[in-house]
Amino acid sequence: GAGVSQSPSNKVTEKGKDVELRCDPISGHTALYWYRQSLGQGLEFLIYFQGNSAPDKSGLPSDRFSAERTGESVSTLTIQRTQQEDSAVYLCASSPERAGELFFGEGSRLTVL
Amino acid sequence: EDKVVQSPLSLVVHEGDTVTLNCSYEVTNFRSLLWYKQEKKAPTFLFMLTSSGIEKKSGRLSSILDKKELSSILNITATQTGDSAIYLCAVESYYGGSQGNLIFGKGTKLSVKP
Repeated sequence: GAGVSQSPSNKVTEKGKDVELRCDPISGHTALYWYRQSLGQGLEFLIYFQGNSAPDKSGLPSDRFSAERTGESVSTLTIQRTQQEDSAVYLCASSPERAGELFFGEGSRLTVL
Repeated sequence: EDKVVQSPLSLVVHEGDTVTLNCSYEVTNFRSLLWYKQEKKAPTFLFMLTSSGIEKKSGRLSSILDKKELSSILNITATQTGDSAIYLCAVESYYGGSQGNLIFGKGTKLSVKP
């Protein structure tokens, strides 16, 4: 597609449920990033994929969070046993090589009741 | 721990004013500094700065990096209501052996009144 696509755009779930968020990066972009943005806060780094290298998972806040990426295409961010503090907008971005001009998706707004 | 600090956190000005947004950073292995504009959802790229003292300019926006002071400023002249947004500063560093991690500040929320 023309840009980074994320789904769902909005997700409301109950505490304790698992959620999956999907990101379709721009075709040909080898780098893919997940960030989280809580109300009034900046972007909190979660995880970074670059080509076939091992992902940088240093930003994942707990072992309830995990992410996968198939080759240089789709990525899925999974949050298990969601908590209310997980409520945020989850932004995905891709880049042709490494960081620099990141192209962001519109985000997935997660609300945990 | 690497960090990026922006100031002010919020700013209200009137159309026609000139504003200066600040960004300071502490990172172990600096590679570049970037500015983004976030109006609704997706941040959009403004500038990438790698060399100290060289101004990047795009229309009414300009930015410069000071590696000695570990900081950058973003200037907006003759502000318009359409400039209202959150301006995000990010620093690219090598972190934990990985290449290309972008660390963002909390942003400056700019409101331009008619």
